[in-house]
Amino acid sequence: DAKTTQPNSMESNEEEPVHLPCNHSTISGTDYIHWYRQLPSQGPEYVIHGLTSNVNNRMASLAIAEDRKSSTLILHRATLRDAAVYYCILRDPLNGGSQGNLIFGKGTKLSVKP
Amino acid sequence: DAGITQSPRYKITETGRQVTLMCHQTWSHSYMFWYRQDLGHGLRLIYYSAAADITDKGEVPDGYVVSRSKTENFPLTLESATRSQTSVYFCASGEIQWSSYEQYFGPGTRLTVT
Repeated sequence: DAKTTQPNSMESNEEEPVHLPCNHSTISGTDYIHWYRQLPSQGPEYVIHGLTSNVNNRMASLAIAEDRKSSTLILHRATLRDAAVYYCILRDPLNGGSQGNLIFGKGTKLSVKP
Repeated sequence: DAGITQSPRYKITETGRQVTLMCHQTWSHSYMFWYRQDLGHGLRLIYYSAAADITDKGEVPDGYVVSRSKTENFPLTLESATRSQTSVYFCASGEIQWSSYEQYFGPGTRLTVT
């Protein structure tokens, strides 16, 4: 699986937008970009995923660069509950067969200030 | 309760003892996973299962045994616990589709081996 690079930590103010970057310069044409987050003392939870087009859901937006070598998770209005570690993960359905596991890196620890 | 549950949530055991961590999901997902999370290593896959009676090793399977006689249950057994197995264990389930690897994680079991 291609690797991702994320900043170790970021800070945000409550009710302001947050842009969490992820670099994946070796991404393949069939890699899907997934984002998960892990709140303190909880298991990871799915946030969003995409392939080429920008994606929106109730939790966040995913902006994917045209060359797909980077992506940005956007939280439109950060709340204190958004303080978590955010993981950017690539998954290629053509490789790894049906294994389906996700390879978590160290992620970005997001702190939200009131 | 709907969702994915783990028991016990906390466990202290002695070196050499056998310990079983339970995982139960109510979604009838085909895939189930066991991860461990340690400081400095992030989440690592121990074992996974694609369906009842089908299991396979992940990244760090040594010292662990799994079984899956029913779709909804996926117990993890430490046959002879060692201090290096002190960790937080997360169970997850999901349906692996071409474009989506959405996994749902349990709340975790914090295991201490003394």
